[in-house]
Amino acid sequence: DAEITQSPRHKITETGRQVTLACHQTWNHNNMFWYRQDLGHGLRLIHYSYGVQDTNKGEVSDGYSVSRSNTEDLPLTLESAASSQTSVYFCASSESRDTEAFFGQGTRLTVV
Amino acid sequence: GDSVTQMEGPVTLSEEAFLTINCTYTATGYPSLFWYVQYPGEGLQLLLKATKADDKGSNKGFEATYRKETTSFHLEKGSVQVSDSAVYFCALESGGYQKVTFGTGTKLQVIP
Repeated sequence: DAEITQSPRHKITETGRQVTLACHQTWNHNNMFWYRQDLGHGLRLIHYSYGVQDTNKGEVSDGYSVSRSNTEDLPLTLESAASSQTSVYFCASSESRDTEAFFGQGTRLTVV
Repeated sequence: GDSVTQMEGPVTLSEEAFLTINCTYTATGYPSLFWYVQYPGEGLQLLLKATKADDKGSNKGFEATYRKETTSFHLEKGSVQVSDSAVYFCALESGGYQKVTFGTGTKLQVIP
C-alpha cells in the first residue's frame, strides 16, 4: 500500500545543531507540505512544494529549509535548532487541488 | 489572508449525546472545506469535505454543510461514541492554491 513515512519519530537535539527530518511518500504525489503543531496554534505551514525543484515558504518558515530533488522526498532542515522549534512536525502530501492530504505520523522534536 | 476559527475546547460529552463543533472561515474566492480528525499519537486523517456552497460532507455519522452565506462549516454528529474521542480540525483550501489552512483544533472527549 502507498504511504507516507516520517523519520525519526522522536528526536532530542541541542541548541545550535543542524537537524534534518525526513519525509517519504510512495503515492507519487506532486504536492508535499511540512507543518508544525503547537498547543493553541493548531497546524502551521512551514514550507511546501508543488513538484521537483519547487519549494515555497509558508507562514512560519524562518529557521527552516527544504529541498525537493525527487517526487518522493521532502526533507526539512533546521539550520541551527532553537528551543522555540520544539514541536511536533507533520509531513503531508496530496495529489491535486481539492483532494485529500495524507499525513505522516509526525516527528516529535525537542531542542534542549 | 485565509483563516479558520474553531470553537475552543476541550468538549466533554456523554456517550450518545449530540455533537456540534463550530467552524467559521475567511477566504478569498471559493475555498474547499475539510474536517480532519487526529487520534492520540497519530497523524491527521480526512473525515469529510465539501468543495462548493451547500454541499454536505458526511462520513462515519459525522456531517458538515458548506454555508457560504455564513462562512461556516460546522461539524455535527447525532450520537457520539467513546471511540470518537480525538482532536478535530477544520481546514480550508483556497481556490488556485494547493495548500491547506487549519484551525487550532477542538479536543473531544466522550465519556461512557
